[in-house]
Amino acid sequence: NAGVTQTPKFQVLKTGQSMTLQCAQDMNHNSMYWYRQDPGMGLRLIYYSASEGTTDKGEVPNGYNVSRLNKREFSLRLESAAPSQTSVYFCASKAGVDTGELFFGEGSRLTVL
Amino acid sequence: DAKTTQPNSMESNEEEPVHLPCNHSTISGTDYIHWYRQLPSQGPEYVIHGLTSNVNNRMASLAIAEDRKSSTLILHRATLRDAAVYYCILSGVGSNYQLIWGAGTKLIIKP
Repeated sequence: NAGVTQTPKFQVLKTGQSMTLQCAQDMNHNSMYWYRQDPGMGLRLIYYSASEGTTDKGEVPNGYNVSRLNKREFSLRLESAAPSQTSVYFCASKAGVDTGELFFGEGSRLTVL
Repeated sequence: DAKTTQPNSMESNEEEPVHLPCNHSTISGTDYIHWYRQLPSQGPEYVIHGLTSNVNNRMASLAIAEDRKSSTLILHRATLRDAAVYYCILSGVGSNYQLIWGAGTKLIIKP
C-alpha cells in the first residue's frame, strides 16, 4: 500500500515563482489536509478538505491555495513564493472529519531563496 | 482551543519503560486526547488516542487521569527505534476536530 504520496520531495524556488505540491491517497479517505512544519516546531494546518468538493482554511492559509481534484488528490499551490514559505510540507488524510487516525506522507521540503 | 503542555525532552534507557507526560488542564468534556510521534526526517505517525478510559494498543498505552486534566503515554519497553518527537494533541467539536500541534517531547533513548 502506498498510503499518502507527495510530490516533489524537494524543491528550490526563487522569490515570486509559483509551484504546486501534489498529494494523493489510495485509502479511500474522505478528509485530506496540508500542514507545514518549521524547524523545531509542531505542524500548522494550512488548508483541509473534509470531503470531495469542499475546502476550508486552517491556521495559516495566507499565500496558499488548494484544490481537491477528486477524492484521491489534494494539491497545494504557492502563487508567488516568499522566503517565509520555506518549510517542510506534509499532506495527510483520514477516513472522516472527526476523530480518527491521520495518515501522513513523507513530506516535501521547499526552499525559497 | 485547548492547549497541551509537554516537557521539551526526556531521556530513557533502552529496554526500559517510558512514561511521557502531558498536561491539558483546559480540556473540554468532548475533547479527544491524541498521541503522534515523528521519527527524524519522516512524517508523523499515529500512536494512540482516547477520550476517558485508558487505552492499549500494540504500540503503547494511554493512561488518562480521572479529571482528564493530564495523561501519560507509556511505552512498555523502549527500543532505539522509539527515539522520536512525541506530540500530545487535543481535538474536539470546538476545534472542528482539527489537531493543534505543539512542539512535543523529544525522546532520547540511550543504549
